[in-house]
Amino acid sequence: NAGVTQTPKFRILKIGQSMTLQCTQDMNHNYMYWYRQDPGMGLKLIYYSVGAGITDKGEVPNGYNVSRSTTEDFPLRLELAAPSQTSVYFCASSLQGLLGYTFGSGTRLTVV
Amino acid sequence: TQLLEQSPQFLSIQEGENLTVYCNSSSVFSSLQWYRQEPGEGPVLLVTVVTGGEVKKLKRLTFQFGDARKDSSLHITAAQPGDTGLYLCAGTHSGGYQKVTFGIGTKLQVIP
Repeated sequence: NAGVTQTPKFRILKIGQSMTLQCTQDMNHNYMYWYRQDPGMGLKLIYYSVGAGITDKGEVPNGYNVSRSTTEDFPLRLELAAPSQTSVYFCASSLQGLLGYTFGSGTRLTVV
Repeated sequence: TQLLEQSPQFLSIQEGENLTVYCNSSSVFSSLQWYRQEPGEGPVLLVTVVTGGEVKKLKRLTFQFGDARKDSSLHITAAQPGDTGLYLCAGTHSGGYQKVTFGIGTKLQVIP
């Protein structure tokens, strides 16, 4: 029972580079989310999806893009990496937001 | 901005002691979740409370949702080193996609 799987675990990017953070879940959850976690700031929602083909912005979407072509996958794209995007990124999924989330183990990204 | 305030932010106690952490807001929530996060990992859901005044127990952990559904507490009896971690509360708002607001967390250290 894998739950939510994120790859990679760690990544160092140079300013201006691009990358995709992968997220897949095997629980057939309709809802999926991307959060970033910074010290003293808590979890901030970047993007979310309520089902395949449907995505919407969260609190801090600038500099990121997402797609949701299948129920299982919800990749997060960084097009032009900036130092402000240095953070730990978490993907999560839920059957209903009301009931709580299942989180992945995170991607620690450093932009230098 | 709807906020969830957690207190205390840091707590260091000896093994065997009892403790309570608090989660407060001026907003009414449809439900409230508690998570525990260990270093290098994603948050893990401990409990969801839905009804005002609800009390749930998970072994040595007792969770209470305030009568007005604006606040919650987590009480740990006879803390053990394995309880060490970051405890996050999260409130789900009604309507829409069931937006969730996370607190910054309480960092607990239990010293053997």
